[in-house]
Amino acid sequence: DAGVIQSPRHEVTEMGQEVTLRCKPISGHDYLFWYRQTMMRGLELLIYFNNNVPIDDSGMPEDRFSAKMPNASFSTLKIQPSEPRDSAVYFCASSQTGTGSQPQHFGDGTRLSIL
Amino acid sequence: AQKVTQAQTEISVVEKEDVTLDCVYETRDTTYYLFWYKQPPSGELVFLIRRNSFDEQNEISGRYSWNFQKSTSSFNFTITASQVVDSAVYFCALSEAGTGFQKLVFGTGTRLLVSP
Repeated sequence: DAGVIQSPRHEVTEMGQEVTLRCKPISGHDYLFWYRQTMMRGLELLIYFNNNVPIDDSGMPEDRFSAKMPNASFSTLKIQPSEPRDSAVYFCASSQTGTGSQPQHFGDGTRLSIL
Repeated sequence: AQKVTQAQTEISVVEKEDVTLDCVYETRDTTYYLFWYKQPPSGELVFLIRRNSFDEQNEISGRYSWNFQKSTSSFNFTITASQVVDSAVYFCALSEAGTGFQKLVFGTGTRLLVSP
């Protein structure tokens, strides 16, 4: 079975540019999560969706960050304009509805470097 | 507020040694879930185990075992006869009823280095 698929795996861009990260969740999973991992702050939840609807975006650092989920099989995380402090590994994860808390399955991550 | 503490930043062992990774959590909820994830050097996060707050039975899966003790708010992870392939960062995480079980709070991770 295909896992969570993220693209690109690596992105290097200059400060001020728009960055778009993409995610395809596991088929049948109705929750989708975006995380950011840095040395300083560890793993942080940015936003999550249920059935394509954003439920909690309290972790989104600022207005430069936005996320969408136009359908059940695709989500994007956009940073505009990007800044060097946005450099991190961004993970997408998905899970399915079930009793209590279901395991979240993570993609391989996108390593983002803003110069 | 929910919080997960992994006090061990890094552990180094020699192959075949047993090693225990500690995890202490804080929550006000009586219903919650605990998780362990593995992040190998390649960078992906791999789910290992889920445990709910009503199930204090210890679990064993091959060389891996987990000890859940509500009395000490701990969910420790033991690897028996460690192998080089166990080298990774291990994260403990918590979700609670108060946040609809969907928000995972991660500890800072423990880096395990197993040398031959």
